[in-house]
Amino acid sequence: DGGITQSPKYLFRKEGQNVTLSCEQNLNHDAMYWYRQDPGQGLRLIYYSQIVNDFQKGDIAEGYSVSREKKESFPLTVTSAQKNPTAFYLCASSMGSSEAYGYTFGSGTRLTVV
Amino acid sequence: AQSVTQLDSHVSVSEGTPVLLRCNYSSSYSPSLFWYVQHPNKGLQLLLKYTSAATLVKGINGFEAEFKKSETSFHLTKPSAHMSDAAEYFCVVSSYSTLTFGKGTMLLVSP
Repeated sequence: DGGITQSPKYLFRKEGQNVTLSCEQNLNHDAMYWYRQDPGQGLRLIYYSQIVNDFQKGDIAEGYSVSREKKESFPLTVTSAQKNPTAFYLCASSMGSSEAYGYTFGSGTRLTVV
Repeated sequence: AQSVTQLDSHVSVSEGTPVLLRCNYSSSYSPSLFWYVQHPNKGLQLLLKYTSAATLVKGINGFEAEFKKSETSFHLTKPSAHMSDAAEYFCVVSSYSTLTFGKGTMLLVSP
C-alpha cells in the first residue's frame, strides 16, 4: 500500500545534540512538507519541497535543516540551535498543488529533549 | 494572507446526537478548504475537501461541511456522533499552494 512512513515513532535527544527524523513516501508525490505540532497551536510549517534538490523555509525554519536528494525522501534535522525542540513532528506529501489534492500525512515522530 | 479560526477548542456531545464543529476563514484568493481528523499520536486523515465545486461537501464517516462564502465559514457536521469520532479536528485553508491550519477542536463523545 502507498503511504508515508515516518521513523522513529518516538525519539529522545540530549541537549546540544542534532537528530534526524526520517520521512519516506512511495506515493510518487512531488511535494513534501514538515510540520511541527504543539498542543493548542495547530500545525506550523517548518520546511517544504516541491521538487527534488529544492526546498523552501516555512514559518518556523530556524534551528532546522532539510535535504531532498530523492523524490521519495525528505529528512528533517533538528539542530542544537533549535531552543525548544520537544514537539510532535508530522511529514506530509501532495501530488501537486495542494488546492486540488490536499495532503497525505505520516503518523508522526514525537521528539523529547531529555 | 490567509487565516483560519476554529471557534471552539473543545466540543462535547453525547453518542447519537449531532456534531457541529465551527470554522471561519479569511483569504484574499478563492481558497480550497479541508477538514482533517487526528486521533491521539497519529497523523492527520483527510475527512473532506472543498475546491470550488458543490458548496455542500460530503466526506468519510458520515461527515459533511458547507462552504458559505458570504459568511466565510466552513462548518463540519455529522447527524449522529459515534464514540469512534472522538478525536481532534483541524480546519485548513489553502491558496497559492500554502496550507494554513486552524488550532484544532477536540471532540469529546460521551456514552
